[in-house]
Amino acid sequence: DGGITQSPKYLFRKEGQNVTLSCEQNLNHDAMYWYRQDPGQGLRLIYYSQIVNDFQKGDIAEGYSVSREKKESFPLTVTSAQKNPTAFYLCASSIEVPGVSGYTFGSGTRLTVV
Amino acid sequence: GQQLNQSPQSMFIQEGEDVSMNCTSSSIFNTWLWYKQDPGEGPVLLIALYKAGELTSNGRLTAQFGITRKDSFLNISASIPSDVGIYFCAGQLKSQGNLIFGKGTKLSVKP
Repeated sequence: DGGITQSPKYLFRKEGQNVTLSCEQNLNHDAMYWYRQDPGQGLRLIYYSQIVNDFQKGDIAEGYSVSREKKESFPLTVTSAQKNPTAFYLCASSIEVPGVSGYTFGSGTRLTVV
Repeated sequence: GQQLNQSPQSMFIQEGEDVSMNCTSSSIFNTWLWYKQDPGEGPVLLIALYKAGELTSNGRLTAQFGITRKDSFLNISASIPSDVGIYFCAGQLKSQGNLIFGKGTKLSVKP
């Protein structure tokens, strides 16, 4: 079955460390997105990519980095510059831009800084 | 960025009751979508709306695209315990761009 896979489901990081969250899709979708979810904050866009080797900052890109070397993959790195990284991270993809047919979401990665 | 005002923020209801939630904006939207997120999971698309005035059902769920194109509502009839979760509205602005999400309505259902 086609879908979007995020790994790991739970991730613990020490302060000052970088960590990379994986997102892979086999839906042949062009666009991919990273969102951060905090209680009561809804979904906030971190980065998005409309095509391979191109990506754009979202509303809260500071302290994060991404790459899009393959259509299927859009990893997110949470750097030590991100002051409050503990959150639930969601990856999504859409068949076209701007995604009016809806986004398909992964099941999320919960990152905790210890 | 652009804002969608989603209300209510949370609801506590008895099993069997009907539920209504809505999203409003000061901007015109081309598309309205409604998602449900189960605890610890990613959101799943429930209903998509593409035309002003459109009314669409999915089982016990009914959603409408407002005539002014600035709002949408979602109704759930005869709620059941598995309806528990967070419901998000999302819209795409007339001027193009990524989807914009509301902050969600957290639904709790008491058996």
